[in-house]
Amino acid sequence: AQSVAQPEDQVNVAEGNPLTVKCTYSVSGNPYLFWYVQYPNRGLQFLLKYITGDNLVKGSYGFEAEFNKSQTSFHLKKPSALVSDSALYFCAVRDFFYNQGGKLIFGQGTELSVKP
Amino acid sequence: DADVTQTPRNRITKTGKRIMLECSQTKGHDRMYWYRQDPGLGLRLIYYSFDVKDINKGEISDGYSVSRQAQAKFSLSLESAIPNQTALYFCATSMAGGNNQPQHFGDGTRLSIL
Repeated sequence: AQSVAQPEDQVNVAEGNPLTVKCTYSVSGNPYLFWYVQYPNRGLQFLLKYITGDNLVKGSYGFEAEFNKSQTSFHLKKPSALVSDSALYFCAVRDFFYNQGGKLIFGQGTELSVKP
Repeated sequence: DADVTQTPRNRITKTGKRIMLECSQTKGHDRMYWYRQDPGLGLRLIYYSFDVKDINKGEISDGYSVSRQAQAKFSLSLESAIPNQTALYFCATSMAGGNNQPQHFGDGTRLSIL
């Protein structure tokens, strides 16, 4: 079965420091992976995706993610965190085996807190 | 994402009541989805629709029904609400033409059932 895991419920980072939000996946076949961010009282916003190609994917707001097939990971990174990056982050994988593949499987979310 | 509008944004109601949550989009997308979000569980798919004549159950469709009134409108109904349906509900849309398209979410409806 397809699945995705975010091993950390919360990540705390000082402003200006690099941040990493971890995600691991389990899929049959090639994964289609996504990162979303959710700010308070808002819906999820798409950050970036990995479909194929370069293992380092660049996305919105200065975020990037590194796809590692051998470790089945897709960690979200940013070189220098901002207080405004504080939000809930979700990793997701496309489930191709669910009916017509319309389903995204979400991790449980990681709360990122960036302190001044 | 202002292109995907959910109404109401908040709703408090009583057990046994019928409730309809509405979603409309101006993105011109064919595909629409309903999810619920519960703390620590991420988002779970309730129903999805690939076009006006195509409705599919998600992983947690029991107790819910949907209607795709037009390409731009997709409503979710709780026929007889129960307390464990208290959650944050999201509508999402995506383009057709492949499974690599991201989904675009509305700002959610916070539903409380007493």
